[in-house]
Amino acid sequence: DIQMTQAPSSLPASLGDRVTITCRASQDIGNYLRWFQQKPGKSPRLMIYGATNLAAGVPSRFSGSRSGSDYSLTISSLESEDMADYYCLQSKESPFTFGSGTKLEIK
Amino acid sequence: QIQLVQSGPELKKPGESVKISCKASGYTFTDYAMHWVKQAPGKGLKWMGWINTYTGKPTYADDFKGRFVFSLEASASTANLQISNLKNEDTATYFCARLVNNPYVMDAWGQGASVTVSS
Repeated sequence: DIQMTQAPSSLPASLGDRVTITCRASQDIGNYLRWFQQKPGKSPRLMIYGATNLAAGVPSRFSGSRSGSDYSLTISSLESEDMADYYCLQSKESPFTFGSGTKLEIK
Repeated sequence: QIQLVQSGPELKKPGESVKISCKASGYTFTDYAMHWVKQAPGKGLKWMGWINTYTGKPTYADDFKGRFVFSLEASASTANLQISNLKNEDTATYFCARLVNNPYVMDAWGQGASVTVSS
């Protein structure tokens, strides 16, 4: 099975900060990588698909990138509404696997 | 618009069974697989498996083989998750989701169905 190692698990940050969350894949997943945002009591919201593509309606301060087996989600200037949990998901092959999650919180 | 609407919260005792439904609308149900995702309280997302909505063939992640059954009522555009012999650790929110590796096909998620197992 493909393992997705996500870091950090918790990320205290200030409004306006540039923040980056990373997932490392244990095997090649190409660009079959999504990033989700989840707020308490809500369903996950797709932010990035295909590793680098912004989903519809997602603010342009969010971006996704890939370097080899490392995938990153970057928020260029943190806003209060971005405080949430973030997860990566690989969908290259079954079983799909999520990263363990990152809690983004106000410092 | 595309919607996945799940059934309501359930409170069950250990050993009982539960069936959660996920009704799709706004697209042809049999065109895309349906996935199931578990989220225990305060924990992360865990992929449970998926069902081919055209053939009805289910695929289960290892941790969900045995007591978990994915099924369809295709005529009603509905996917179901049944859990038998419930255990305390099945307490969670269960999401159905349309996840398609096609940049022109939008993902969709249900609102989640809460299952609480308690004696």
